[in-house]
Amino acid sequence: DGGITQSPKYLFRKEGQNVTLSCEQNLNHDAMYWYRQDPGQGLRLIYYSQIVNDFQKGDIAEGYSVSREKKESFPLTVTSAQKNPTAFYLCASSIVTGDIQYFGAGTRLSVL
Amino acid sequence: AQSVAQPEDQVNVAEGNPLTVKCTYSVSGNPYLFWYVQYPNRGLQFLLKYITGDNLVKGSYGFEAEFNKSQTSFHLKKPSALVSDSALYFCAVRDAGSSNTGKLIFGQGTTLQVKP
Repeated sequence: DGGITQSPKYLFRKEGQNVTLSCEQNLNHDAMYWYRQDPGQGLRLIYYSQIVNDFQKGDIAEGYSVSREKKESFPLTVTSAQKNPTAFYLCASSIVTGDIQYFGAGTRLSVL
Repeated sequence: AQSVAQPEDQVNVAEGNPLTVKCTYSVSGNPYLFWYVQYPNRGLQFLLKYITGDNLVKGSYGFEAEFNKSQTSFHLKKPSALVSDSALYFCAVRDAGSSNTGKLIFGQGTTLQVKP
């Protein structure tokens, strides 16, 4: 997990609340990604960013938002519109899109 | 459309025996293929990749994978399993010639259980 830091490790969300998951990398990578992992479903791509100030929706972007104002940071906000947010969230980065991705240790989000 | 399948939810093997975790893929062009491992409550760790060249790819921790174009497969192998190899394994693919962003598509994952 070296080089990519996700925080917090555990997060609890109340109904109607927005929460933000942090992802920071010191690998000088251009591309960054957010995945959601549910048991038995593998990894599903939420958002990705090929370069700073740019990002695109992945396969399950509804109810989530991101920003990429700095190369090293790619925070994910889980909005109140996401009705089933309980999951393990993984951030990753790569030198360029499509190259080897390096992952953080993950954030486990639960609903109170 | 790109896709990857891992047909086995779980593979059980005795320590010291060889192991195989299966992966098949579908892309319109030439594939770039990857294997990752995930230990409980951790992120994924890169094991190995195939881009081009030799069909047998060697990776970390003694793992290797064999690319078979005719069978569109990229099975992960290890000659002698260790209990510490027990984890969740993911295969991933991207189309080398894709005009899109080259996103990786991940399989569902296979749990490897190595018993002493």
